[in-house]
Amino acid sequence: GNSVTQMEGPVTLSEEAFLTINCTYTATGYPSLFWYVQYPGEGLQLLLKATKADDKGSNKGFEATYRKETTSFHLEKGSVQVSDSAVYFCALLEYGNKLVFGAGTILRVKS
Amino acid sequence: DAGVIQSPRHEVTEMGQEVTLRCKPISGHNSLFWYRQTMMRGLELLIYFNNNVPIDDSGMPEDRFSAKMPNASFSTLKIQPSEPRDSAVYFCASRSGTDPYGYTFGSGTRLTVV
Repeated sequence: GNSVTQMEGPVTLSEEAFLTINCTYTATGYPSLFWYVQYPGEGLQLLLKATKADDKGSNKGFEATYRKETTSFHLEKGSVQVSDSAVYFCALLEYGNKLVFGAGTILRVKS
Repeated sequence: DAGVIQSPRHEVTEMGQEVTLRCKPISGHNSLFWYRQTMMRGLELLIYFNNNVPIDDSGMPEDRFSAKMPNASFSTLKIQPSEPRDSAVYFCASRSGTDPYGYTFGSGTRLTVV
């Protein structure tokens, strides 16, 4: 079946550092891809998405590009803030209805 | 809009007891999803409904788990009898038929079975 693999965390960075969280997927066809963020005690919030190959999703300084050649959707941010500390989930949309999530990556940003 | 509302936020129960989790989706959303989050297995889809009808319940772990959606504004997930391995955070999400990417998640119910 379809699956998503994320880099293991936690990832610990200093404020203003560059962030990359790797995500690769296995799927038949070309699913839509997403990054969700989960703050402590809260539900998941959509951070960005890309619905077809070569699309770039972006939001709040975060970016990810849908690369079908490498089946990847890596999350990047040029300068992280303490407020970005959260758990980040990569996901794909399977058959138009089912979101399949990666294991999640904890990000900790120190001031 | 108040978003997807789940209750209770926290539930502690003894093994063998019945547990009922509740979800109110966003008004106008016609799809509803129940997910379970654990450290070992991450986020798993348990079941989803379209227009109040269960479409895929292949993720429901055992017959002890059941879910209903009696109307467009309410769904329940019931565990009977509960076991310690059911301890997890259970999320409900809803989606509009006009926005296939627009999933909205509730804040979750943290269930602890002792």
